[in-house]
Amino acid sequence: KAGVTQTPRYLIKTRGQQVTLSCSPISGHRSVSWYQQTPGQGLQFLFEYFSETQRNKGNFPGRFSGRQFSNSRSEMNVSTLELGDSALYLCASSLAGGTSLAGELFFGEGSRLTVL
Amino acid sequence: AQTVTQSQPEMSVQEAETVTLSCTYDTSESNYYLFWYKQPPSRQMILVIRQEAYKQQNATENRFSVNFQKAAKSFSLKISDSQLGDTAMYFCAFMPYNNDMRFGAGTRLTVKP
Repeated sequence: KAGVTQTPRYLIKTRGQQVTLSCSPISGHRSVSWYQQTPGQGLQFLFEYFSETQRNKGNFPGRFSGRQFSNSRSEMNVSTLELGDSALYLCASSLAGGTSLAGELFFGEGSRLTVL
Repeated sequence: AQTVTQSQPEMSVQEAETVTLSCTYDTSESNYYLFWYKQPPSRQMILVIRQEAYKQQNATENRFSVNFQKAAKSFSLKISDSQLGDTAMYFCAFMPYNNDMRFGAGTRLTVKP
């Protein structure tokens, strides 16, 4: 079974630009979560999508947005990039609640964004 | 606010020895999951072990075991017979039912030969 796939793995942008990151979850997983990982702040929750609906949202500005498609693939977008947006962006998929496996997140390798 | 605290930023252990990583959390929820995730250098994060709060028995996965103290809101990870491949960042995570997962700041573990 293929794991969580994130593209691109590495990218460099300049301040003011926008970026779109993609995540393909494990087949059968309907929930996709996004996290920002930085050395200073650790892992911070961005948002979670389930069946094309945003179910939870972290404390990030509106420049950070996401969406999920009918095939459960998800994208996140960051507009008007700032230097502080440089981070590893991790996507994780999971089965939805109600089962004994609920809650376990399977992570992708991440997309490393550098903002110059 | 639900927070996860890992008080040990870095730890080291000799190969074949045992090490314990600490984690405490703060919540008013009664139903939740607890996890330990491992992130090897430049590699993806993988689940090490999970614990459901309603289960009193401590979870065990081969060399990895937890000491779950619900009243104290403590969830430590014990690694027995440490191996070089255990070198990684270890994150403690907390997740209430149907809510987002919160992570601690992580503990960098180095296993020395």
